Amino acid sequence: DAGVTQSPTHLIKTRGQQVTLRCSPKSGHDTVSWYQQALGQGPQFIFQYYEEEERQRGNFPDRFSGHQFPNYSSELNVNALLLGDSALYLCASSVSLATNEKLFFGSGTQLSVL
Amino acid sequence: SQQGEEDPQALSIQEGENATMNCSYKTSINNLQWYRQNSGRGLVHLILIRSNEREKHSGRLRVTLDTSKKSSSLLITASRAADTASYFCATGLNGGSQGNLIFGKGTKLSVKP
Repeated sequence: DAGVTQSPTHLIKTRGQQVTLRCSPKSGHDTVSWYQQALGQGPQFIFQYYEEEERQRGNFPDRFSGHQFPNYSSELNVNALLLGDSALYLCASSVSLATNEKLFFGSGTQLSVL
Repeated sequence: SQQGEEDPQALSIQEGENATMNCSYKTSINNLQWYRQNSGRGLVHLILIRSNEREKHSGRLRVTLDTSKKSSSLLITASRAADTASYFCATGLNGGSQGNLIFGKGTKLSVKP
């Protein structure tokens, strides 16, 4: 049973560029949440997708957008990258009826913006 | 914004000793969870305690919850070098923000062999 998978594992971009990160949820899960974790900090909630729609959103600008596909996989897009967007981006999956219960996390994508 | 705040920020102990980490939070919660993270990788769920529970055990882990003080503690008994990691508390909220967890800044635990 595959867990949550994320790609790529590492990414280097320059300011102003755009990036797309990908996530496949754990088998049987239909809800995907994205978190940003800056160095030395805890994860910060970006948004959550269920039934291909953004269900909840944290305090992140519109430069951060996402998508969920019919197979429940998800993408996180960040436009006009800033140096401050450098962080570990974590995807977590859960079932729709228990979205603030136990989350299963992927290993993350380490994004460096130069 | 952070909901939970862990204390201490860093903890260094010898193998075999017990490690205690504390978490304080601000608003009413549905549950409180502890996660572990090894060196910048994904988080692994350790234990969940609901707001109507006071104590929970899982193997060498013991979690307590005091909703009157809005605080929780995680005790790891007989620690091992492999327990070296960062530990985060996360709160599942009541009401409109049910769909996500809010994490603290974490406690970095170092267990020396």
